[in-house]
Amino acid sequence: KAGVTQTPRYLIKTRGQQVTLSCSPISGHRSVSWYQQTPGQGLQFLFEYFSETQRNKGNFPGRFSGRQFSNSRSEMNVSTLELGDSALYLCASLGGPGVRNTEAFFGQGTRLTVV
Amino acid sequence: AQSVTQLGSHVSVSEGALVLLRCNYSSSVPPYLFWYVQYPNQGLQLLLKYTSAATLVKGINGFEAEFKKSETSFHLTKPSAHMSDAAEYFCAVSESGGYQKVTFGTGTKLQVIP
Repeated sequence: KAGVTQTPRYLIKTRGQQVTLSCSPISGHRSVSWYQQTPGQGLQFLFEYFSETQRNKGNFPGRFSGRQFSNSRSEMNVSTLELGDSALYLCASLGGPGVRNTEAFFGQGTRLTVV
Repeated sequence: AQSVTQLGSHVSVSEGALVLLRCNYSSSVPPYLFWYVQYPNQGLQLLLKYTSAATLVKGINGFEAEFKKSETSFHLTKPSAHMSDAAEYFCAVSESGGYQKVTFGTGTKLQVIP
């Protein structure tokens, strides 16, 4: 079955702009988590969605938001971009509650560069 | 609350030498434990996982890890390092039960010296 698909793979934006990243989870998976990865901070949890509801949120400013659609696809949005938002954004797909032996499956990420 | 501590942000080994990457976890319930590998500009790939079956878990690429409850550890080993093993490795924990939230360690970069 197809893996986790993140688009676009690479993105260059200017400070102050906003950006939307997309993640399509593995078919049948209902949970999508987003992570920001930077050399200085490592992997930081942004938020997690299940059945269109945000269940968990990391310690990020309100400029970072997300949503999930009925087909489980998820988007994250960053408004008023700052240079420090430059990072690899990773999306992970999980089977969801009640699914045993489930690990997170990751997409290849979106590399965002803010200039 | 669950957490993971990886000892050593950078580890260097010679090609052919033993690889040992350390991971200690904290969890209030029986955990699921994972090791992931990440190559530059790629996502994370699952190496192996512990889900309360055998305590010695074998994964891909010759890696294995042993779950030791008394030490709350889940160290990753490989008998003989290969140049292609150079990557960053992440230990992760997820509490067993209905809701799986995965918490990652800070990662260990493995350098393999020829």
